[in-house]
Amino acid sequence: AQKITQTQPGMFVQEKEAVTLDCTYDTSDQSYGLFWYKQPSSGEMIFLIYQGSYDEQNATEGRYSLNFQKARKSANLVISASQLGDSAMYFCAMRDPASNYKLTFGKGTLLTVNP
Amino acid sequence: EAQVTQNPRYLITVTGKKLTVTCSQNMNHEYMSWYRQDPGLGLRQIYYSMNVEVTDKGDVPEGYKVSRKEKRNFPLILESPSPNQTSLYFCASSWASGGPYEQYFGPGTRLTVT
Repeated sequence: AQKITQTQPGMFVQEKEAVTLDCTYDTSDQSYGLFWYKQPSSGEMIFLIYQGSYDEQNATEGRYSLNFQKARKSANLVISASQLGDSAMYFCAMRDPASNYKLTFGKGTLLTVNP
Repeated sequence: EAQVTQNPRYLITVTGKKLTVTCSQNMNHEYMSWYRQDPGLGLRQIYYSMNVEVTDKGDVPEGYKVSRKEKRNFPLILESPSPNQTSLYFCASSWASGGPYEQYFGPGTRLTVT
């Protein structure tokens, strides 16, 4: 069963606007972690933000915030004030005990920021 | 500088010729893992290691071997590579198996098997 679902294969956003990348997940564990990674065209995986299942507040890291809705099992990434350098593939991922703490990735969303 | 290094970064080889992709981290992390990334399939875990001498299979272990003799190193071995192992490979490490421990990724190794 697919555990991480990213329903948007591609997204476009105008520079300086905000964009939301969707992620839903499935786990039977109470304790788990949710991550977002960025992969630019150069190929490296860059960690952006983390949300723990017991964290009561949504995580924020600079222009990145995570809209965590536990009951809905969603962990959407919000990028504010998009920049051209934000154009990249974005992956949502989860670590949970049932999966031996591996990172289970979604298939990614390709974000293109237009000038 | 805290980092995960992989070598080689690019490799073109032929079917059946044994190869090793090295991975090393300088953060004293217990947990290390190998992933492969293929178009349309995302990243999938090949093998992981909870600590020295402790390794286990991930989702796609067929055709691969690993070893963890030292904490910092976690090489990926392809005994007899085949074209379906053409992929982008990532090594990753983290402090421990659970908790808010992001996995740090190496730069990737792009492997082509002809």
